Amino acid sequence: DQQVKQNSPSLSVQEGRISILNCDYTNSMFDYFLWYKKYPAEGPTFLISISSIKDKNEDGRFTVFLNKSAKHLSLHIVPSQPGDSAVYFCAASVYSSNTGKLIFGQGTTLQVKP
Amino acid sequence: DTAVSQTPKYLVTQMGNDKSIKCEQNLGHDTMYWYKQDSKKFLKIMFSYNNKELIINETVPNRFSPKSPDKAHLNLHINSLELGDSAVYFCASSHNEKLFFGSGTQLSVL
Repeated sequence: DQQVKQNSPSLSVQEGRISILNCDYTNSMFDYFLWYKKYPAEGPTFLISISSIKDKNEDGRFTVFLNKSAKHLSLHIVPSQPGDSAVYFCAASVYSSNTGKLIFGQGTTLQVKP
Repeated sequence: DTAVSQTPKYLVTQMGNDKSIKCEQNLGHDTMYWYKQDSKKFLKIMFSYNNKELIINETVPNRFSPKSPDKAHLNLHINSLELGDSAVYFCASSHNEKLFFGSGTQLSVL
């Protein structure tokens, strides 16, 4: 039973354009959401997060949008750069549990073409 | 000055063997984890330790035994390795629900 799903295994965009990565979740207890980026042979690295009390969080070229009613979040990268090519994981947690237990999606491979 | 380091990076072994993966973090975090990335690429939590105490054990077989000698170290020992244990194992530590991962150990059981 996958509580966090990323239904697009891959995405290809042109450099300079917008990349939109999507994530859906099923557990309404989740109140904190994160995006991680992973290069080959490396561990995932934290990219951006959002609390359920917000619907948008922005950090430079990266913006995460949260739609609680639809149990959906998305990551926008504008403008996309070749160095953004990586696997992006969506993750969710129950922040108040204070356990740090994250439930991850299966990842979306982003390729940004020069 | 690597924040979370784990060794070895690659581990190839025969079925039935016992092996260990070591993990160390220099971030001063109280909580450490082991995650497993299976063949379908899902990252799933296995264990979590807070200040050397086990706080999460996600129905992992008894063959897997984490050991935390101090809050900066969380090692994973696996007994009687099976083919299905082949995966990438990631150590992590956390601060305010943000996880910081090591680079992973790719375990191949032949």
